[in-house]
Amino acid sequence: SAVISQKPSRDICQRGTSLTIQCQVDSQVTMMFWYRQQPGQSLTLIATANQGSEATYESGFVIDKFPISRPNLTFSTLTVSNMSPEDSSIYLCSVEKGRGQNGYTFGSGTRLTVV
Amino acid sequence: QKEVEQNSGPLSVPEGAIASLNCTYSDRGSQSFFWYRQYSGKSPELIMFIYSNGDKEDGRFTAQLNKASQYVSLLIRDSQPSDSATYLCAVSSVGTGGFKTIFGAGTRLFVKA
Repeated sequence: SAVISQKPSRDICQRGTSLTIQCQVDSQVTMMFWYRQQPGQSLTLIATANQGSEATYESGFVIDKFPISRPNLTFSTLTVSNMSPEDSSIYLCSVEKGRGQNGYTFGSGTRLTVV
Repeated sequence: QKEVEQNSGPLSVPEGAIASLNCTYSDRGSQSFFWYRQYSGKSPELIMFIYSNGDKEDGRFTAQLNKASQYVSLLIRDSQPSDSATYLCAVSSVGTGGFKTIFGAGTRLFVKA
């Protein structure tokens, strides 16, 4: 399975600022996925990032708030823009385990606190 | 709205016992079913997946799927304190944009030594 390096692992940010989260995969992957996990809640998909095209956002998430870059097949960034305390959460990137529906491998996560 | 429901717990079992974790899902067209383990402060880790009705065993873990009842479960035999974690159920189905996976909120398991 792919190994994902995600950074930063945690950050405390002032409201109104932006934070960019990076994920580096040790192999080429077609799709990368960005999730949010709020305390005590399930993982919620923010968007799917394909190399060479715009990310596909899920209902309730917009590009202006969560811009995503996918410059190549091993790297992606998620920016949380104009942050508010409601954005405090854990953000995770993930890739599929092999081809087909075999589940996901996740990065180590970014714990974001907005004050 | 497609949903995946789990009892949040905590489920507490003594060491050596069988832990039984349950999950129900709303989309009858779901095709793939997963169990992830998430230790506190860590990211989820895939431990089991199942596609067909019946049981699938892997070591101390058994996944059980009943599509007619829209129910999937995870049994952990000979539970160990190291099994203490949150277990997330995830269900995948085909949508207009390809496969979509929905996660339950997880069940916290505590194994008492």
